[in-house]
Parts: sequence; structure tokens; C-alpha cells
Amino acid sequence: SQQGEEDPQALSIQEGENATMNCSYKTSINNLQWYRQNSGRGLVHLILIRSNEREKHSGRLRVTLDTSKKSSSLLITASRAADTASYFCATDISGGYNKLIFGAGTRLAVHP
Amino acid sequence: GAGVSQTPSNKVTEKGKYVELRCDPISGHTALYWYRQSLGQGPEFLIYFQGTGAADDSGLPNDRFFAVRPEGSVSTLKIQRTERGDSAVYLCASSLGGSSGNTIYFGEGSWLTVV
Repeated sequence: SQQGEEDPQALSIQEGENATMNCSYKTSINNLQWYRQNSGRGLVHLILIRSNEREKHSGRLRVTLDTSKKSSSLLITASRAADTASYFCATDISGGYNKLIFGAGTRLAVHP
Repeated sequence: GAGVSQTPSNKVTEKGKYVELRCDPISGHTALYWYRQSLGQGPEFLIYFQGTGAADDSGLPNDRFFAVRPEGSVSTLKIQRTERGDSAVYLCASSLGGSSGNTIYFGEGSWLTVV
């Protein structure tokens, strides 16, 4: 079963705009990770935020984590057409071996 | 190889047939994972190997599914008596160790269609 839910399910924006995707989850976590997937194939790891962290940055990506609300957000600034993909959050609920539970994803379309 | 390699990339099989999907992880990665992804959904955990042993197989849906990793490198996911509901992309991933927080690298997946 899926642990998390992403919101929105689909997002359509223009190049240069910011894209914000949200993720909610249900159980306690070790960390939360965001992945990108093009065309339904391989997933690419974007960023990991540990349960004791509140915010993390990587290039144009900014991730926040609120463990009290069991939610996270991924912000992509100054979006590009090449950012078009599906984005998934995944929570590590294992006792220490990266057992990831994924949400259903947000499909992002960035229009030139 | 440079990344996680999965074969075949696409497989069409008839209902009731046996299927094997192969995963070649990144060299040196001791942790290996199988996930299954249905259309429009996120990946679902199937099984985790640390070395040769299946440390967590709680995600395997039933006893028609089995996976091995006999030498601690290549893994094979085996599906017996395939059903149409088994149609999905089967994703393999590996990481340097099994510790929480190690970056996981995914392969491109094997798209299985059962007709």
C-alpha cells in the first residue's frame, strides 16, 4: 500500500515559474527522499532530507520537512522545459535499510 | 557497468507462463532492491537483498514471486504462472550499503505485459 500522497496530482506551468509539490505521509520516518521519473522508466534520486532536518537545498531544488504535520514540499525554482517529469516522494520506514514507500507522484509539465 | 542494468527492457508473455527478469547492480553495491510500478502509481517495494540473502521479502505479493541473488551481485526476479495483473514495470535498484540514507540508484526497469 502507498504511504504517501502527493499534491497536486498534476501541475502545468510556464518556463521560468516556480513549481511546488507537496507530500504527506502517515507513519514515523527515518528520512524522506524525492525522486524524478521521465516517461515512466528509471527513477533518479534528487534529494534526501533526514527526519531531524527541516530544510535542504540542492541547486534549484528546495525541500522542506515538517514531521509534526507529516508533510514535505519540493520547490523547483525557475523551471525549465527539461524539468517536465513525474516527481515522487518516498519515505524510509525501515529499521535502517532504505525500504522506501512511494507516493503516487506529481506529473509536472513545464511549457516553453 | 556504470549503472544498474536490467534485462529484458520489455517482455510480453502469455497468461500462465513463467518469466525471469534480471538485474545487474552497480559493481560493489551490496544492497539490492526490487520494486514494482503499475501505470499511474508510484513504485511498490517487493524485496531487499543484503549480499546473497533476502533480508526483507515482505513486499512479494504471493508465492508465485521469487527472487534470488546467489553470488551477491546479479539478481533474478522469477514469476510463475503469470497473471494479467502482474503487468507492470519491474524496477531494480542498488546502493553501496543497506544503511538508511545511502543513495539508491535505479535501473530503467523491465516492462512486463501479460496477455
